[in-house]
Amino acid sequence: DTEVTQTPKHLVMGMTNKKSLKCEQHMGHRAMYWYKQKAKKPPELMFVYSYEKLSINESVPSRFSPECPNSSLLNLHLHALQPEDSALYLCASSQEELLYEQYFGPGTRLTVT
Amino acid sequence: KNQVEQSPQSLIILEGKNCTLQCNYTVSPFSNLRWYKQDTGRGPVSLTIMTFSENTKSNGRYTATLDADTKQSSLHITASQLSDSASYICVVSGYSGGGADGLTFGKGTHLIIQP
Repeated sequence: DTEVTQTPKHLVMGMTNKKSLKCEQHMGHRAMYWYKQKAKKPPELMFVYSYEKLSINESVPSRFSPECPNSSLLNLHLHALQPEDSALYLCASSQEELLYEQYFGPGTRLTVT
Repeated sequence: KNQVEQSPQSLIILEGKNCTLQCNYTVSPFSNLRWYKQDTGRGPVSLTIMTFSENTKSNGRYTATLDADTKQSSLHITASQLSDSASYICVVSGYSGGGADGLTFGKGTHLIIQP
């Protein structure tokens, strides 16, 4: 199984809502990532988890809160977002951190109203 | 500063034709170079990953080349199909102890295949 799954596919939320994005992989990968991608731009790295510990936080605002409950799951908790946070949020995993090939999920299309 | 430059920014070709996309990088020290295909609104899908010692790697109609001396890579698509319409992203990985400089993304080439 070489699949990374993400739920939901689409999410519309108001600026006062709290929601969560979920990501799952069963490839035994020990590194998982969150990316944000705006239209016609490359993905921007947000967070990296390695062996279930947060290893990289790319100065992401605190309204984004990652969580790695176990080696197969990665969540991104959202609170008090701004309209400019609307984007495609991609999850990825790799065998180990950064130097290994990454497998991306299909993404969650987030719209903040 | 690590950089990955891709050209052209966008390309339109007729179905059945071949094309070549370019990627120049300044990432150092170098670990590997990856080409991804991304359909609109979907996650990137890996096409090839090449290390320092690999010059050419194929995946079906996709052939990537790497010249580590000149820090250049190309992705050649043979006999293009309508389904090849996508963004192609070059990503270079460097040894940096796992820090933020470990992955540098290019801005991508937007390829459109016309019937």
